[in-house]
Amino acid sequence: DAKTTQPTSMDCAEGRAANLPCNHSTISGNEYVYWYRQIHSQGPQYIIHGLKNNETNEMASLIITEDRKSSTLILPHATLRDTAVYYCIVSSPNAGGTSYGKLTFGQGTILTVHP
Amino acid sequence: GAGVSQTPSNKVTEKGKYVELRCDPISGHTALYWYRQSLGQGPEFLIYFQGTGAADDSGLPNDRFFAVRPEGSVSTLKIQRTERGDSAVYLCASSLGAFSTQYFGPGTRLTVL
Repeated sequence: DAKTTQPTSMDCAEGRAANLPCNHSTISGNEYVYWYRQIHSQGPQYIIHGLKNNETNEMASLIITEDRKSSTLILPHATLRDTAVYYCIVSSPNAGGTSYGKLTFGQGTILTVHP
Repeated sequence: GAGVSQTPSNKVTEKGKYVELRCDPISGHTALYWYRQSLGQGPEFLIYFQGTGAADDSGLPNDRFFAVRPEGSVSTLKIQRTERGDSAVYLCASSLGAFSTQYFGPGTRLTVL
């Protein structure tokens, strides 16, 4: 699976948009970009995923560049409860491969939302 | 509906003892994964089950670690002769199938004294 690079930490003011970047320059054509977050002492929580097109759900938006080498997770109106570690993961969906969809987590970005 | 549950939430044991950690996946999910998370690190893959069989156990650190899923639902991670280095949070995730979105449980915090 392709590796990802994320900033170690970011700050955001409550009510403002939080934009979390991720670089995945070695991503393959069939690999998806997944975002999970982990609030202190809890299991990782799925946020969103995408292949090529931008995606939006009730939690966030995912913007993937045209060359797919980077992406940005957008939390449109951050709240204090969004303070967490955010993981960007590239996962192969190829059923013929051997990854079986296992997720390879990096260090993630610690997002701190301030009042 | 009910999410992934894991028991116990905390387990303290002594070096050399045997422990079992249980995972109840979301009903209907055929794929089940175990991960281990050390302090300050992201989760690391241990083993993957598709149904009752372990399709990929490449992440198990050594032969003291073993996992089963006899009926294709509940899974148990077993650790023999525990060592202090086994102390970590053990996470379980399930999905409809391989390559589907994984949903995680709250984890079991294992402390080996």
